[in-house]
Amino acid sequence: QQQVKQSPQSLIVQKGGISIINCAYENTAFDYFPWYQQFPGKGPALLIAIRPDVSEKKEGRFTISFNKSAKQFSLHIMDSQPGDSATYFCAAVASGFQKLVFGTGTRLLVSP
Amino acid sequence: GAVVSQHPSWVICKSGTSVKIECRSLDFQATTMFWYRQFPKQSLMLMATSNEGSKATYEQGVEKDKFLINHASLTLSTLTVTSAHPEDSSFYICSAIGTGYGYTFGSGTRLTVV
Repeated sequence: QQQVKQSPQSLIVQKGGISIINCAYENTAFDYFPWYQQFPGKGPALLIAIRPDVSEKKEGRFTISFNKSAKQFSLHIMDSQPGDSATYFCAAVASGFQKLVFGTGTRLLVSP
Repeated sequence: GAVVSQHPSWVICKSGTSVKIECRSLDFQATTMFWYRQFPKQSLMLMATSNEGSKATYEQGVEKDKFLINHASLTLSTLTVTSAHPEDSSFYICSAIGTGYGYTFGSGTRLTVV
């Protein structure tokens, strides 16, 4: 119940295309859902996050879509660029528990 | 924005020696710090959680005598890998949270034990 399932494991998108990464969870106590971007040899960096009281959040080219009833959320990267090539992790946490539960990660490659 | 500084970024040590990794919150007080281990092409695995002034809480399967964690102040936590062996080689990452500050990660430390 503490797992966050992430798919796909890897993704190749052409420059200018839309990258879509999906995550699903079971624990209804989760109330904060961040996405992290990690480049090789670096720590994860917060990209965008959402709480379950909204269905969508957009920041620049990055959008989170959240479906509370389906317990799913996804990251959309519009106009994908080669510089977006990285590993993306979804995560979830429940208030008062502190521990982030990470998805398994998606390696994104944006071809020029 | 919040910054967490982690040092060193990489370290090579001989088998049997100890290595200390530092994690500092530069512009906020970190009430809680987390230490993760990450194997190649895998997700982050939480090793332990530490609150300032308290003993760290280790995840199941993590040897507390091998991975010593100290959170002596609101801005500094250290992870010491004692009697390191080649199987301890990995990428170690710290993270910190504080009042008004969400999860901020350090840049990671690549440990290679030879």
